[in-house]
Amino acid sequence: AQSVAQPEDQVNVAEGNPLTVKCTYSVSGNPYLFWYVQYPNRGLQFLLKYITGDNLVKGSYGFEAEFNKSQTSFHLKKPSALVSDSALYFCAVRDIGRDDKIIFGKGTRLHILP
Amino acid sequence: NAGVTQTPKFQVLKTGQSMTLQCAQDMNHEYMSWYRQDPGMGLRLIHYSVGAGITDQGEVPNGYNVSRSTTEDFPLRLLSAAPSQTSVYFCASRNPEGETQYFGPGTRLLVL
Repeated sequence: AQSVAQPEDQVNVAEGNPLTVKCTYSVSGNPYLFWYVQYPNRGLQFLLKYITGDNLVKGSYGFEAEFNKSQTSFHLKKPSALVSDSALYFCAVRDIGRDDKIIFGKGTRLHILP
Repeated sequence: NAGVTQTPKFQVLKTGQSMTLQCAQDMNHEYMSWYRQDPGMGLRLIHYSVGAGITDQGEVPNGYNVSRSTTEDFPLRLLSAAPSQTSVYFCASRNPEGETQYFGPGTRLLVL
């Protein structure tokens, strides 16, 4: 069965520093990979996705993610963090080869320190 | 377009009571899903549907029923609520070829 792991419950980064939020996945077929963000008391908002092609994908709010097939990872990155980036981030995977469900990780809380 | 709407926003139930969480979308999406969000557990898939009349189980289906009689609506039923079902519930929709899921604002459920 497909699965997603976000090994860090929380990540703290000083404002202006680069940030990375980690995600690894397991699927039987080709993965579609996603990052979503959730601000307090809000629903989930789409950030970016990897379907095929360039391993580095760019998304909303200056975020990007790098797909690494050999390491089965899809880490979220941003060159310079903002305090407003503080939120809960979810990685998700869609296994095209199976029943087409989308499964989410447990989430990583990102704290940007002023 | 209203997108994905959910009602109610907040509900308190007593153990053993039943209720239906409503979800509707106006984007003509074929795929709809229900997730629950719990602290430290992330989002877990309860049930999903790939079209009217077709539903399937997700990761945590026990205690929940769904049906899909129309493309627009995908209600989630709790037949006999339990405190373990206290959670925030999110409905989502997308098209088969579409990669992006659109989420509703959520329903916060408290079971006493």
